Amino acid sequence: EDKVVQSPLSLVVHEGDTVTLNCSYEVTNFRSLLWYKQEKKAPTFLFMLTSSGIEKKSGRLSSILDKKELFSILNITATQTGDSAVYLCAVPPSGNTPLVFGKGTRLSVIA
Amino acid sequence: GAGVSQSPSNKVTEKGKDVELRCDPISGHTALYWYRQSLGQGLEFLIYFQGNSAPDKSGLPSDRFSAERTGGSVSTLTIQRTQQEDSAVYLCASSPPGYSHPAYGYTFGSGTRLTVV
Repeated sequence: EDKVVQSPLSLVVHEGDTVTLNCSYEVTNFRSLLWYKQEKKAPTFLFMLTSSGIEKKSGRLSSILDKKELFSILNITATQTGDSAVYLCAVPPSGNTPLVFGKGTRLSVIA
Repeated sequence: GAGVSQSPSNKVTEKGKDVELRCDPISGHTALYWYRQSLGQGLEFLIYFQGNSAPDKSGLPSDRFSAERTGGSVSTLTIQRTQQEDSAVYLCASSPPGYSHPAYGYTFGSGTRLTVV
């Protein structure tokens, strides 16, 4: 059974801190790993990773994939209160079946 | 429309009543997904429509749950005889054709928060 496990489940940091969120996965036929940010209800797309060792970057957010060890990390530097959200990791399983999501990491950034 | 539209945004219902949740996908998107997110949990897949193919209902938790998609566009998720454990946010997503995997182009709606009292 395809599985995605995220850690930690929740995290509280102060503005300016750097955080690392973890996502490990088990999938029969790996194609990609996706990260989403969920602030209120609708998750919004952040990154899609397909190749090991190649960092994807967007502003203060970056992510990298390790296909040998079956995990990905999402880094946020110089955190701001606007980064407070649930960060979700997902993988597409075999065939055309829908994305399998982890439980998410709830990040709270306090001033 | 510009995005995926879901209605109502909030619904409070009494235990045992039926509810209908609506999803209006982005025009031209052929794939439509329903997910459920209970408090503190990740997104749980419910049902998936792809074009004119038979829907993938493998995630529906019980026979009280059903969904249809009329004319390849609007979808309705129906929950019969609601129970308190059905309380959750119900999220709909759609994606266009042309991706190597339909899940890549997901756009989510803002969800319906269902509370069963």
